[in-house]
Amino acid sequence: GQSLEQPSEVTAVEGAIVQINCTYQTSGFYGLSWYQQHDGGAPTFLSYNALDGLEETGRFSSFLSRSDSYGYLLLQELQMKDSASYFCAVMNRDDKIIFGKGTRLHILP
Amino acid sequence: NAGVTQTPKFRILKIGQSMTLQCTQDMNHNYMYWYRQDPGMGLKLIYYSVGAGITDKGEVPNGYNVSRSTTEDFPLRLELAAPSQTSVYFCASNEQGAGGYTFGSGTRLTVV
Repeated sequence: GQSLEQPSEVTAVEGAIVQINCTYQTSGFYGLSWYQQHDGGAPTFLSYNALDGLEETGRFSSFLSRSDSYGYLLLQELQMKDSASYFCAVMNRDDKIIFGKGTRLHILP
Repeated sequence: NAGVTQTPKFRILKIGQSMTLQCTQDMNHNYMYWYRQDPGMGLKLIYYSVGAGITDKGEVPNGYNVSRSTTEDFPLRLELAAPSQTSVYFCASNEQGAGGYTFGSGTRLTVV
């Protein structure tokens, strides 16, 4: 079967750095992506890793280790507007994307 | 450029009623998907399509049907609504091989 594990909640302070981990188990793995979702909103795409290593997009970075079936999302210089749920998602070779249950990020002033 | 458009945004159905959730995209994406999201949970794949005339089941297809007669449109049909189908439904699209989806704004469905 397929499964993704990520923490249900993370709390951090405004201006700090936070890392959200994701481990996955799947067959036909193609890549790992990350989405942000604010309450009542739709998921929005943040980043995608198909190869091992770090991808940086502004304050957000995403990392993948295919050998460890592990990835993380790194958010720097946290802002209050970053309070949201973050989902990791696995893309498989059958063109389906399977989502984790999400990590709710709380940011304290 | 509208992206992915879903209608309606909200709907209340009675048990046993049927309805169609509409989804259309103007990005000429071949791949389209339907997900449902229950409160505090992740997204579950219902059905997906890799092109006009082609559809396939996802993780939770029971109680739903889809069709894909054009590249732009991917409607989701509920035939006999049940309370378990109360959820938020998202339609999404992407290009083949692209890492990220573009999501519609969602349809909040309540079955009473």
